Amino acid sequence: KAGVTQTPRYLIKTRGQQVTLSCSPISGHRSVSWYQQTPGQGLQFLFEYFSETQRNKGNFPGRFSGRQFSNSRSEMNVSTLELGDSALYLCASSFSMTGGNTEAFFGQGTRLTVV
Amino acid sequence: SQQGEEDPQALSIQEGENATMNCSYKTSINNLQWYRQNSGRGLVHLILIRSNEREKHSGRLRVTLDTSKKSSSLLITASRAADTASYFCATDLNQAGTALIFGKGTTLSVSS
Repeated sequence: KAGVTQTPRYLIKTRGQQVTLSCSPISGHRSVSWYQQTPGQGLQFLFEYFSETQRNKGNFPGRFSGRQFSNSRSEMNVSTLELGDSALYLCASSFSMTGGNTEAFFGQGTRLTVV
Repeated sequence: SQQGEEDPQALSIQEGENATMNCSYKTSINNLQWYRQNSGRGLVHLILIRSNEREKHSGRLRVTLDTSKKSSSLLITASRAADTASYFCATDLNQAGTALIFGKGTTLSVSS
């Protein structure tokens, strides 16, 4: 079974630009979550999508957005990039059974550098 | 904001020794999970303990949960150099366990 695939692995963007990151979940998983990891703030939850709907949202500005497609693949977009957006962006997928208590499977991440 | 706080922030031990990491959280939970991350790569799920469980084992891992103290501990027995990594506890925003709130992590270094 293929794991969670994130593309691209590395990205360098200029301040003010926008960026789109992609995540392909494990086959059969309907939940996709996104996380930002920085040395200062650690791992922070961005948002979660389930069946093409945003189900949960973290405390990030509106410049951070996402979507999920009918095949469960997800994209996140960051507009008007700031230097502080430089981070490792992690995507996780989960089967999300009724009743919960399921583990999340993480991709290798996209390392975004804003210059 | 972080839900959990791990303690210690960093731990250095010799191969063969045991490593204990602690995690405290703030709100009521459905479950608590532990993850490992090797050198800035993706996280790997280690173990999940439900709120009605007090202890769980998986190989060389032992996790305890004290909901009255809102704390958990992860014990790695007979550590190996390959256990060198950062370890995070995580609680969930929703019952599905798909919106995880992580602590800042413990960086474990195991030397041979």
